[in-house]
Amino acid sequence: SAVISQKPSRDICQRGTSLTIQCQVDSQVTMMFWYRQQPGQSLTLIATANQGSEATYESGFVIDKFPISRPNLTFSTLTVSNMSPEDSSIYLCSGLWEHKVMNTEAFFGQGTRLTVV
Amino acid sequence: TQLLEQSPQFLSIQEGENLTVYCNSSSVFSSLQWYRQEPGEGPVLLVTVVTGGEVKKLKRLTFQFGDARKDSSLHITAAQTGDTGLYLCAGALVYNFNKFYFGSGTKLNVKP
Repeated sequence: SAVISQKPSRDICQRGTSLTIQCQVDSQVTMMFWYRQQPGQSLTLIATANQGSEATYESGFVIDKFPISRPNLTFSTLTVSNMSPEDSSIYLCSGLWEHKVMNTEAFFGQGTRLTVV
Repeated sequence: TQLLEQSPQFLSIQEGENLTVYCNSSSVFSSLQWYRQEPGEGPVLLVTVVTGGEVKKLKRLTFQFGDARKDSSLHITAAQTGDTGLYLCAGALVYNFNKFYFGSGTKLNVKP
């Protein structure tokens, strides 16, 4: 298994500014992901953070708005750029751990609750 | 449309009652996971089921993976207020086990 530390846990930001969220995993995971979640709802995948290369974004998410870095196997950042109130949400970092062949498990940070005012 | 459909979406029951949450898909999964999430926290992994027909028990929670590996269920016996939370199923497809798909979620409220 893996322990994932995410910070900040919450923030209130002014519209038009940017916020960078950090994610640290205590062991090497095969993949890292970033999700967005509205309270009480399911998770929406933003992108897969690729080590040393550009992230792979899902439909509806673009690099200019959500730049992602992953300089090594255990660390990643997500930046929410030029924020608007619509970006208010919970952002979650996830690490995929290969338990055994074809059996992967995802572990999550505690999330970052972002409010844009 | 969601690849994994969960039902019910909301469930409010009294302490001591039993309940079942369903997770269904038309796709075949290499494995399915169940998570519970409490407010202000990230999802916490409860169990992973891998083999078709597999049944796993975690105290009062029983998890089952369908024979065809397209569906799963979570049954809670004698629910307690501590079971309150958002339950999510998630899985990796047979041909792409590095990408997780999440179910739509079931919000459970257990009243004292």
